[in-house]
Amino acid sequence: KQEVTQIPAALSVPEGENLVLNCSFTDSAIYNLQWFRQDPGKGLTSLLLIQSSQREQTSGRLNASLDKSSGRSTLYIAASQPGDSATYLCAPWEYGNKLVFGAGTILRVKS
Amino acid sequence: DTEVTQTPKHLVMGMTNKKSLKCEQHMGHRAMYWYKQKAKKPPELMFVYSYEKLSINESVPSRFSPECPNSSLLNLHLHALQPEDSALYLCASSVRQNQPQHFGDGTRLSIL
Repeated sequence: KQEVTQIPAALSVPEGENLVLNCSFTDSAIYNLQWFRQDPGKGLTSLLLIQSSQREQTSGRLNASLDKSSGRSTLYIAASQPGDSATYLCAPWEYGNKLVFGAGTILRVKS
Repeated sequence: DTEVTQTPKHLVMGMTNKKSLKCEQHMGHRAMYWYKQKAKKPPELMFVYSYEKLSINESVPSRFSPECPNSSLLNLHLHALQPEDSALYLCASSVRQNQPQHFGDGTRLSIL
């Protein structure tokens, strides 16, 4: 059974810092990997999707990397802003498009 | 604003009630999903529909009954729920079953 671990569980940083969120998964036979953000009481917003043949994806201030062989992905956020405050979820795709979510990293960016 | 619309946003029901959650999308997606998310926990997959047919049932208790009457609509019928079923129920859709999923804002369900 796939298990997904996200470190750290919570992070509080001042505005402007660059930060790294880590995700590890136990079964490397994944299809893709997706990063989401979730604001309190809301649904999930997709941030980045890394296909299994790719090593990284970038969108604006966000960059995600994937190393399937070691079962790791990282999400890099550059120049953090208070609006980045949310819970960030990592979700490897198992075959059949089944997403398995980590517990998330709660990020707070202080102004 | 999300393109997947879930109604109602909040629902309080007793254990003997029957109610339904509704999810709609008009993006032409042919795969739709139900997830359950307990407080401070990650979402857990419940059901997947692909081309209006049930594709995955993650051993969900029969008191939860999904229905996909057409390609734009997904329902979750609830009957005789337990207090531990209180959670945020999220709906998602994707172009096909192997494409990125788009989520609604969820229905927050409380069982008295």
